[in-house]
Amino acid sequence: AQSVTQLDSQVPVFEEAPVELRCNYSSSVSVYLFWYVQYPNQGLQLLLKYLSGSTLVKGINGFEAEFNKSQTSFHLRKPSVHISDTAEYFCAVSDGGTGGFKTIFGAGTRLFVKA
Amino acid sequence: DVKVTQSSRYLVKRTGEKVFLECVQDMDHENMFWYRQDPGLGLRLIYFSYDVKMKEKGDIPEGYSVSREKKERFSLILESASTNQTSMYLCASSLDRYSPLHFGNGTRLTVT
Repeated sequence: AQSVTQLDSQVPVFEEAPVELRCNYSSSVSVYLFWYVQYPNQGLQLLLKYLSGSTLVKGINGFEAEFNKSQTSFHLRKPSVHISDTAEYFCAVSDGGTGGFKTIFGAGTRLFVKA
Repeated sequence: DVKVTQSSRYLVKRTGEKVFLECVQDMDHENMFWYRQDPGLGLRLIYFSYDVKMKEKGDIPEGYSVSREKKERFSLILESASTNQTSMYLCASSLDRYSPLHFGNGTRLTVT
């Protein structure tokens, strides 16, 4: 069964600094990867996704992620963060079930952006 | 725009009660999901459904059951609520495995 590991539970960073949020997944023949963001007191929304093709994926709000098959990683990056990026970020993988499919989430990384 | 609606935002129930959490989507999606979200644990999949009357267990199905009688509606049932089921419950739907999940606003359930 698929699993997702987010290596950092909390990441504090100063405004305008770069940030990387790390995500590793267990290997599979085919894998579809997602990053979601949850702002305080809001629902989850899609940040970006990797299905196939270019390993560098660009998302909303200046975020990007790189798919690395050999390291089974899908790390999220932003070159310069803003206070408004303070949120919880979830890495997720889509995995086939016996009938349908399921999406498995990591435990989340809380990003704190400080002035 | 895509809409997933959960019937209650907050719910308080007593131990041993049978609890129904309702979720409706308006996108004609075949795939629907129930997760619970707890601090430090992320989202854990309880059950999912890929068609009417079709369901599969997720990673933490114990103490829960589901019902999918119509395509747009996916209900989560706590047969006998316990305090360790106090949590935020999130419903989601998706077109297919290549598409993102669309989430409802969540139901915060407290079992006393």
